[in-house]
Amino acid sequence: SQTIHQWPATLVQPVGSPLSLECTVEGTSNPNLYWYRQAAGRGLQLLFYSIGIDQISSEVPQNLSASRPQDRQFILSSKKLLLSDSGFYLCAWSVEANTEAFFGQGTRLTVV
Amino acid sequence: GENVEQHPSTLSVQEGDSAVIKCTYSDSASNYFPWYKQELGKRPQLIIDIRSNVGEKKDQRIAVTLNKTAKHFSLHITETQPEDSAVYFCAASTSGTYKYIFGTGTRLKVLA
Repeated sequence: SQTIHQWPATLVQPVGSPLSLECTVEGTSNPNLYWYRQAAGRGLQLLFYSIGIDQISSEVPQNLSASRPQDRQFILSSKKLLLSDSGFYLCAWSVEANTEAFFGQGTRLTVV
Repeated sequence: GENVEQHPSTLSVQEGDSAVIKCTYSDSASNYFPWYKQELGKRPQLIIDIRSNVGEKKDQRIAVTLNKTAKHFSLHITETQPEDSAVYFCAASTSGTYKYIFGTGTRLKVLA
């Protein structure tokens, strides 16, 4: 069966520090991969999605970036965190478009 | 760009009553509409979905209706129970775009 792993679960980082969140999917190949951010009391904002290695689309211009070094690995990064980057970050995957998306357990990031 | 509006943002009902959450989407080409339930501190999980070639779908106490002309879709929960308390998200997806655009969420509280 397919599983998705996301880590770390919680992270407290100072303003200006770098960020690296990792997401890995097991049990499937060539998944569509997604990064969402959920700010307190708000919805799920799509940040990046990828339909294959070296195919990453950005939805929201900001100081975050995403990379897909392997087929089932999706990384969210930042060179310098801002206070406004605090939130709950969720990785997700789907087999194909217009099918169920499965979410990771999320990373709660607090920038101080 | 694509947008999904969701109402209400909070909803309190007495146990045993029905709850209705409504969403409106902007992209007329959207053809897949999932609903996710997110319990406190956990990942969103799919509870029901509907495709554009269907007007209504039921799964026990949960139903979803779709009005393509008005670009509306709704989640109906009957005989609500305390364990239904959670945040519910609607989403819309369009073939070929690979994106899931989520609403801002509805916090449902079922009062015992």
